[in-house]
Amino acid sequence: EAEVAQSPRYKITEKSQAVAFWCDPISGHATLYWYRQILGQGPELLVQFQDESVVDDSQLPKDRFSAERLKGVDSTLKIQPAELGDSAMYLCASSLARGTGNTEAFFGQGTRLTVV
Amino acid sequence: GENVEQHPSTLSVQEGDSAVIKCTYSDSASNYFPWYKQELGKRPQLIIDIRSNVGEKKDQRIAVTLNKTAKHFSLHITETQPEDSAVYFCAASKGSNYQLIWGAGTKLIIKP
Repeated sequence: EAEVAQSPRYKITEKSQAVAFWCDPISGHATLYWYRQILGQGPELLVQFQDESVVDDSQLPKDRFSAERLKGVDSTLKIQPAELGDSAMYLCASSLARGTGNTEAFFGQGTRLTVV
Repeated sequence: GENVEQHPSTLSVQEGDSAVIKCTYSDSASNYFPWYKQELGKRPQLIIDIRSNVGEKKDQRIAVTLNKTAKHFSLHITETQPEDSAVYFCAASKGSNYQLIWGAGTKLIIKP
């Protein structure tokens, strides 16, 4: 069964360092989401791509976060510099969502980030 | 923009009883309403979804109902089992941008 791949699974970094996360969505999925989830809370959308274009990045802290999906396939989320408050689970999800209306969003296993 | 409210935040039910979780949404243009289950330490997974052209959908012990006039939808779990213990999230979306707006989640506890 096709899955959304994310790496790394776990990352520990010192504050002020740079960190990057990678996501490979299910093949053919046009929409890709990056979420941040703090323990005990719901997913918070950071950025949404439709193919290679950003659809929504209104909640992305653009002074330190950046995201790209250059060829409309895999995506990278970067934080520079990392702050203690960035410690969270970073989830990537993808959905087919191309001219067919909304469809199921499939989540990757996530990257657990700890900033020390 | 769209806002989704979810209640209750925690729900404790006896094994075998039914559980109901409710969500309300603000944007009448929303037309897709999925429910996700997230077990501790795991990723959210879709358990059922409903589109605005139907009022109810069932899948074994799980059902979702939608009231477009009142702008609310509910998840119903019957004959609850220990493996139903998890956090459940509702979401709402419009077809125009595929953006998912999430509820805050409900922690469901099944008491033996």
